[in-house]
Amino acid sequence: ILNVEQSPQSLHVQEGDSTNFTCSFPSSNFYALHWYRWETAKSPEALFVMTLNGDEKKKGRISATLNTKEGYSYLYIKGSQPEDSATYLCAFMNSGYSTLTFGKGTMLLVSP
Amino acid sequence: DGGITQSPKYLFRKEGQNVTLSCEQNLNHDAMYWYRQDPGQGLRLIYYSQIVNDFQKGDIAEGYSVSREKKESFPLTVTSAQKNPTAFYLCASSLGTGGNTEAFFGQGTRLTVV
Repeated sequence: ILNVEQSPQSLHVQEGDSTNFTCSFPSSNFYALHWYRWETAKSPEALFVMTLNGDEKKKGRISATLNTKEGYSYLYIKGSQPEDSATYLCAFMNSGYSTLTFGKGTMLLVSP
Repeated sequence: DGGITQSPKYLFRKEGQNVTLSCEQNLNHDAMYWYRQDPGQGLRLIYYSQIVNDFQKGDIAEGYSVSREKKESFPLTVTSAQKNPTAFYLCASSLGTGGNTEAFFGQGTRLTVV
């Protein structure tokens, strides 16, 4: 079983703060890294799918970077808003598997 | 509109009874998955199917069974052999099992066994 670590486990910020989370994964045999946002009482939704070392992706105020050689990805939220409150999941796939391995998530709470 | 539907949202069963959780998708996706979530844990893969009439065990398949008779449906049966069945169950689908395609998730079923 592959090990995917996310930090911090939880985070509480004020509206307008910028924040970032980390996802660490095995650096060997990398294939893909996914980020999902999971709001309470809703389904997880995909934010980014990243496959190339050095990838940087952006969606509005949220962006992500990928370093496959050292085995980490960062998710950044600029100017956090209360509607950003959710659990952010990362999921990793290596070339020897055909399924994703999920981290435990980072729970973000943004206060007005 | 397209998506994944899980039913029911909440399910209560007595210990020793089998129970089947429903998952239907109208996204025309080939691959479907069942995950389990427990407090403090990440999503853990129970079973997955890459194509109709085929499925593979995930990391925690013991005590569960699945079928994939139709492309749009992937029901999960929690059997009496599952030692700790109370959990939140999520179904997902994707175009294929290649990691470059995102997964789409249902809203989950919370199963409580008493």
